[in-house]
Amino acid sequence: QKEVEQDPGPLSVPEGAIVSLNCTYSNSAFQYFMWYRQYSRKGPELLMYTYSSGNKEDGRFTAQVDKSSKYISLFIRDSQPSDSATYLCAMMGGANSKLTFGKGITLSVRP
Amino acid sequence: DAMVIQNPRYQVTQFGKPVTLSCSQTLNHNVMYWYQQKSSQAPKLLFHYYDKDFNNEADTPDNFQSRRPNTSFCFLDIRSPGLGDAAMYLCATSRDWGLARLTSTDTQYFGPGTRLTVL
Repeated sequence: QKEVEQDPGPLSVPEGAIVSLNCTYSNSAFQYFMWYRQYSRKGPELLMYTYSSGNKEDGRFTAQVDKSSKYISLFIRDSQPSDSATYLCAMMGGANSKLTFGKGITLSVRP
Repeated sequence: DAMVIQNPRYQVTQFGKPVTLSCSQTLNHNVMYWYQQKSSQAPKLLFHYYDKDFNNEADTPDNFQSRRPNTSFCFLDIRSPGLGDAAMYLCATSRDWGLARLTSTDTQYFGPGTRLTVL
């Protein structure tokens, strides 16, 4: 079993839709949970960061972490064509700052 | 302004011909990382430097080497590129390593990547 599993894509939605992106993980030592957005031919950029369990909201984006289920989600409200990108979940433990990434899911928002 | 800069953005090399990829940062971060990302795959950490200390991942092939001559620059050397080494190579930096508690500013900042083609 891979340490981090991410829902396979690609995902195509109409503009304005609510998008739900999900990852599961197996390593209970993970404490820090991130979502990176990667546009075509660019490097990943940090979108959301969460420590431990709970929700975090930033504009149209909400990150959820459920450590008891080892499950994290990213919700995008009122999706826009500019949200079209690959979304990578990433996690790390405490003392070790090594990031473990999911494979990424490519999202396309149709105008 | 770009904080992590990678050059070149696109590199074409021949099978077996050594190639060097460059990364520079303006963040004055202690840690610099090199990742390999193949199409539709997760970025794979090759190695990282904490200051001048080099840390190799156990499964990184010997074909891959790195140099960090100063805080700002880090190089990835591929001694004899094979067809399987064609990928996007990502450089990243972070302020520190092994902190007891991280904040969002302690996470990794990525450069735009260098796409390597091996003919």
